Amino acid sequence: SAVISQKPSRDICQRGTSLTIQCQVDSQVTMMFWYRQQPGQSLTLIATANQGSEATYESGFVIDKFPISRPNLTFSTLTVSNMSPEDSSIYLCSAERTGITDTQYFGPGTRLTVL
Amino acid sequence: GENVEQHPSTLSVQEGDSAVIKCTYSDSASNYFPWYKQELGKRPQLIIDIRSNVGEKKDQRIAVTLNKTAKHFSLHITETQPEDSAVYFCAAGGDTNAGKSTFGDGTTLTVKP
Repeated sequence: SAVISQKPSRDICQRGTSLTIQCQVDSQVTMMFWYRQQPGQSLTLIATANQGSEATYESGFVIDKFPISRPNLTFSTLTVSNMSPEDSSIYLCSAERTGITDTQYFGPGTRLTVL
Repeated sequence: GENVEQHPSTLSVQEGDSAVIKCTYSDSASNYFPWYKQELGKRPQLIIDIRSNVGEKKDQRIAVTLNKTAKHFSLHITETQPEDSAVYFCAAGGDTNAGKSTFGDGTTLTVKP
């Protein structure tokens, strides 16, 4: 199984600032994704992080607000820009090693609070 | 896009009883159906998944059934234990792009000792 780590694990930020979350996978994976999970709620896919090209965003999410990088097959970053209290949430990265199982693994999440 | 509905939102059972969680989906093109368990403050963990070419899959006390015609699938947990208490999410998506799965709203399962 893939081991996924995220940094930071939590942060408290001021309105109007930006935070970059890092996701590191211990082995090369084909697909990496970023999700948002608000407290007590389900997971919502923000975007697919594509290696070497622009991320693919889901409806309701835009690059200016959530810029994503994926410089190689094991690392990705998500930036939450110009934050407001509504951005307070848990942000999770996930990875999928495409193959027979297509199993998806999640990182531990980053708990973001915006004041 | 895909829409996944999950029921019930909360479920309480006695230890040793069975628990069943049901999901329906809208997109007939979906062919990958994973189930995740999320304990409080932890990451979602895949516990079982099923693809559209099979109707049932079992792993010890956990089983999943799929009815593609009716577009619904269910998670069955037998001989429940207190450590089964968690939030369970179903999801539906594509075969080679599991990350694009759409998640249900979750079921909070409580197993009373």
